[in-house]
This record gives sequence, C-alpha cells and structure tokens, in this order.
Amino acid sequence: QQQVKQSPQSLIVQKGGISIINCAYENTAFDYFPWYQQFPGKGPALLIAIRPDVSEKKEGRFTISFNKSAKQFSLHIMDSQPGDSATYFCAASTGNNDMRFGAGTRLTVKP
Amino acid sequence: GAVVSQHPSWVICKSGTSVKIECRSLDFQATTMFWYRQFPKQSLMLMATSNEGSKATYEQGVEKDKFLINHASLTLSTLTVTSAHPEDSSFYICSGTSGTDTQYFGPGTRLTVL
Repeated sequence: QQQVKQSPQSLIVQKGGISIINCAYENTAFDYFPWYQQFPGKGPALLIAIRPDVSEKKEGRFTISFNKSAKQFSLHIMDSQPGDSATYFCAASTGNNDMRFGAGTRLTVKP
Repeated sequence: GAVVSQHPSWVICKSGTSVKIECRSLDFQATTMFWYRQFPKQSLMLMATSNEGSKATYEQGVEKDKFLINHASLTLSTLTVTSAHPEDSSFYICSGTSGTDTQYFGPGTRLTVL
C-alpha cells in the first residue's frame, strides 16, 4: 500500500522554467514532510522539509507548498537549471521516524 | 548537513556467499539507523530500523535471517546479506538520525550477485 502518492512520474522542463511535483498522503499522523534529491548511483540528499503548521517554506529556488486540509504538498523549483536534473522523492513521517517515500519523479531540465 | 558514509560503494559476489555493508555516521551520533533497498528506477523501500544496542525491527516481508543488521555503536551499523542470490542484487542505502525527524542518507552500496 503506497502511503504517499507522487506525480508526475517524469517531468521535462526548459531551462529557466518552473518545475512542479505533487504529493498526496492519507495518514493524518504524518507530521514531517521532506523532499529528497537523488542523482544516479548516489544516495538521496535532503533538499527542504516542512511541518504541517506552516503552508509554505522557501529555501533559495526551492519552495514547498503544503495544504493540510487536502493532505497534499508540492515542490516548486524556480528557474530550473540543467544541474537540477535528478530524481526527486517526497516523503512523510510520523514522530517515530517511520518515513514513507513517494514513487519518485524524474526531472529533466533541457538547456 | 550531517554526513553518512557507506562501505563498500559497490560489491560483486558469488551466489551463496555473504556480504557485509557498513554504514557510519561521521559527524553525529545516530541513535537510529535505517536500511533501505532500491531497485532501478524505483523508490526506496524500508527494510529495517535499528536503534543502538537493540535488535533491529524488520519490515513485513523482509527476512531477518537473511538480512542481518547490527547497530553496535552510535556511529556504526552493518547489514550482512547472508547466502546471497542474484535476486538480492540491488542498491542498498542506509540513513541515520540523531533523534530528530531528519534522516541523513549514505551514498549507497550497489550489490551484484553472480
């Protein structure tokens, strides 16, 4: 049972454009929502994370939007660059670190 | 961010042999460590959770006798794949946390069983 649903599976964006990846969850016990970036053959690296008490968090070109009532959250990458081409995973966890990952989105930024 | 290392980064072994993978937290004490498995173009699947000094908790469907996990110190956890078979070939990734929600991941170990 997939507890975190992520879309789209793949995404192609032109350089300078905005990349948007969406995730939805069912378990209302989740209280921590990180996004990870993974390059081929490497481990995931934490990009940005949010808790349900805020609706938006921005760090540089990366923004998380969070909708608690809809149980949805999204990652926006502004001014997308070819170096952003990677696989992005959303995740959700409860206080006991029971982290569940989305299926991943393969982002390609074309120059 | 905190740094986690894994060794080896890749390993090839013969079917029936055992392989040990080490996971170390280099600049923080990992009270909890996690082991994940990732197949090509797929997401991370949690295999087990271990707390320092305690027995690991395995996810449903993961054979605890096949995937032996030891978390003997706050900076080291090991995963031993016993009697490895070709279907065990995968990318194994560990992560650690110091008690907060954030998990810091290692670079992964690619296991190929011939």
